[in-house]
Amino acid sequence: SAVISQKPSRDICQRGTSLTIQCQVDSQVTMMFWYRQQPGQSLTLIATANQGSEATYESGFVIDKFPISRPNLTFSTLTVSNMSPEDSSIYLCSVTGLTKYEQYFGPGTRLTVT
Amino acid sequence: QKEVEQNSGPLSVPEGAIASLNCTYSDRGSQSFFWYRQYSGKSPELIMSIYSNGDKEDGRFTAQLNKASQYVSLLIRDSQPSDSATYLCAVEDPYNQGGKLIFGQGTELSVKP
Repeated sequence: SAVISQKPSRDICQRGTSLTIQCQVDSQVTMMFWYRQQPGQSLTLIATANQGSEATYESGFVIDKFPISRPNLTFSTLTVSNMSPEDSSIYLCSVTGLTKYEQYFGPGTRLTVT
Repeated sequence: QKEVEQNSGPLSVPEGAIASLNCTYSDRGSQSFFWYRQYSGKSPELIMSIYSNGDKEDGRFTAQLNKASQYVSLLIRDSQPSDSATYLCAVEDPYNQGGKLIFGQGTELSVKP
């Protein structure tokens, strides 16, 4: 499976600021996804990062709050904008493997908003 | 509404026992099923995938799928304390062409020495 890295691994941010999270893969992948995992909860899909086009957002998530870029087949960014304490969470990127639905996760970014 | 349900847990088993983790899903069109293991403070790790009815074995892990009953399970034989983690069931969303998975809420497993 691909090697996935995320930056930063953790951050503490002030309310009202923005943070951009990077996801880098060591090989070209078709699909990249961004998830949020709040404390003690399961995974919630934020959006699918599409190469060369706008991301596809899930219900409850909007581009103004979570802008996503995917300039090529190995890299994507997720920005958490105008942060509030409710945005404190772990943010994970994932990529598909040999099959369309088999996903592998990056190490995650632990975000705390004060 | 598409749903994936798991035993709420936590599930506690003694070392060496068989741990049985269960998952049901609501959409009959789903064809791909996955089990992820997530240690505390870590990201989910794919441990099993299953696509056909029946059993699939990989070492101490066996995934079982029954599409008619919309049920998928994970058996862990000879459980070890290192198996203590949260196990997430994930199911393909058949109406999404972009490879979306629907995750259950997870079952916490504790293996006692």
